[in-house]
Amino acid sequence: DQQVKQNSPSLSVQEGRISILNCDYTNSMFDYFLWYKKYPAEGPTFLISISSIKDKNEDGRFTVFLNKSAKHLSLHIVPSQPGDSAVYFCAAAGSYNTDKLIFGTGTRLQVFP
Amino acid sequence: DSGVTQTPKHLITATGQRVTLRCSPRSGDLSVYWYQQSLDQGLQFLIQYYNGEERAKGNILERFSAQQFPDLHSELNLSSLELGDSALYFCASSVTGSSNEKLFFGSGTQLSVL
Repeated sequence: DQQVKQNSPSLSVQEGRISILNCDYTNSMFDYFLWYKKYPAEGPTFLISISSIKDKNEDGRFTVFLNKSAKHLSLHIVPSQPGDSAVYFCAAAGSYNTDKLIFGTGTRLQVFP
Repeated sequence: DSGVTQTPKHLITATGQRVTLRCSPRSGDLSVYWYQQSLDQGLQFLIQYYNGEERAKGNILERFSAQQFPDLHSELNLSSLELGDSALYFCASSVTGSSNEKLFFGSGTQLSVL
């Protein structure tokens, strides 16, 4: 049972435009959501997070939106740059110490000139 | 550089064999996590340790085991290897192991079982 789903395996966007990556979850007990970025031959690196008490968090070109009623979150990258080309993983966790971070299957973003 | 060190980077072995993957967490981090990434799959949580004790367990097979040592490094042991165990194995660490803490990942060990 995939509790965190990224239904788009890939996305291609022109440089300068907005990239929107989507993520859906099924567990209403999730309290904390994160996005990680992964380049080839490297481990995932933390990008941005949001807790369930907020509906938006912004960090530079990156904004994460959370819609709890729809159990949906999205990552917006504006403007997109070629260096943003990577695999993006959405992840979610509950609030107990024994809760584990559950990852989605990832979306490969390609930003072309 | 995340500060998390995984060795070896690549491992090629045969079915039925046993291997050990090693992870050194970031300095100061007490919690270590192991994740498995198979082809076209997300990161599947295997197990978490905090200061030497097992804290959480995911879908880890009985053929797999792990431990965290007093110096906080961790080892993941995979035995009776099968073709389907071929995957990228990531180690991650965090300071306290809280569920809302960001994880720092190593660059992974690519295991190929032939």
